[in-house]
Amino acid sequence: GQNIDQPTEMTATEGAIVQINCTYQTSGFNGLFWYQQHAGEAPTFLSYNVLDGLEEKGRFSSFLSRSKGYSYLLLKELQMKDSASYLCAVRETRGYALNFGKGTSLLVTP
Amino acid sequence: EAGVAQSPRYKIIEKRQSVAFWCNPISGHATLYWYQQILGQGPKLLIQFQNNGVVDDSQLPKDRFSAERLKGVDSTLKIQPAKLEDSAVYLCASRPTVNTEAFFGQGTRLTVV
Repeated sequence: GQNIDQPTEMTATEGAIVQINCTYQTSGFNGLFWYQQHAGEAPTFLSYNVLDGLEEKGRFSSFLSRSKGYSYLLLKELQMKDSASYLCAVRETRGYALNFGKGTSLLVTP
Repeated sequence: EAGVAQSPRYKIIEKRQSVAFWCNPISGHATLYWYQQILGQGPKLLIQFQNNGVVDDSQLPKDRFSAERLKGVDSTLKIQPAKLEDSAVYLCASRPTVNTEAFFGQGTRLTVV
């Protein structure tokens, strides 16, 4: 089984940087994913980490520490359209099931 | 490339009725997931298929939920009978291989009244 924790809500200002943390406990880790979900829409893939370290993709970066069971998503140069829910998901080795946290609702203000 | 197709987009039923959802994954994607997403929460995995076989259905309430993927392509999820607490968005997702991300459909929003 898994336990995935993320903050419920965060607020940040347009143009700023925000870090969304995710901690997890799992019996068999096989990768960590971040998805973005706008209200009423399907989740869309942002990033994937399977090894420790930082993965950078434009304004978005994701970090993983497997020994600490910890990841974060870093969003730079925030834009209003970044207001959305950010979902942390852990993939298990058994069957490669993808299990999600409850999501962090990010509000970007002017 | 066409995305994951789901239908219907919306469904309203009375409690104790039955309902079925349909998903057509991206062509060639062997793995198919069904998730339940209650308002304000993250998606909860209900069942995972690899081709036409079930990999994980540990969180599927089997007394009322069933799912099949007979030919290893499209899939149906059924609820019979529905309860008020089944009101949620039902998301279907697929992925081609192990080390790739999953792609989601738009979901079916179910309201049980």
